[in-house]
Amino acid sequence: NAGVTQTPKFRVLKTGQSMTLLCAQDMNHEYMYWYRQDPGMGLRLIHYSVGEGTTAKGEVPDGYNVSRLKKQNFLLGLESAAPSQTSVYFCASSYSISSGRQETQYFGPGTRLLVL
Amino acid sequence: AQTVTQSQPEMSVQEAETVTLSCTYDTSESDYYLFWYKQPPSRQMILVIRQEAYKQQNATENRFSVNFQKAAKSFSLKISDSQLGDAAMYFCAYRKTSYDKVIFGPGTSLSVIP
Repeated sequence: NAGVTQTPKFRVLKTGQSMTLLCAQDMNHEYMYWYRQDPGMGLRLIHYSVGEGTTAKGEVPDGYNVSRLKKQNFLLGLESAAPSQTSVYFCASSYSISSGRQETQYFGPGTRLLVL
Repeated sequence: AQTVTQSQPEMSVQEAETVTLSCTYDTSESDYYLFWYKQPPSRQMILVIRQEAYKQQNATENRFSVNFQKAAKSFSLKISDSQLGDAAMYFCAYRKTSYDKVIFGPGTSLSVIP
């Protein structure tokens, strides 16, 4: 049981390049989330998904797109990277609120992204 | 909108001593969840403790306990018998019961002095 995994762990991009971050979970969680973490600002929610095929915007969605084609995977895309997107990105997953199970979020190890 | 505030950017504690990290939040809801997460240098976010607002009893997990003051909207974390491995960033977080999103505070960096 690997929990939540993220690929890659670290990446350097040039301004304008695109990339996709992959999040995978093997806990059969319905909900998945993408956060970014910046110094002094805690974690801010970018996008989230409450089920396969559905996504929704979080607090800071601009410049990012997401897809949830399979229940276990949640992809975060940057179409045209900007230096302001330099950050550490965390994926998380949880059971749904209506499942009756504990809805605690389980986090991946993070991806450090540097945009030059 | 809900907000979570952690007024102590940095804290330090002597090994084996007790330290309390502060958290306040703003909400108009009566039912919600509160969490403390730990983030060590490895950057993995680890759930430390969870509190349901409808429960008056403060949650405890081994050396970790909370002081939940619902009327004051305060949720502090007490770490007893501090260990070197407790050194980390600690984030307070809030979630409305029927809401999908978790709101995080800015974090408190805890150092443990040998």
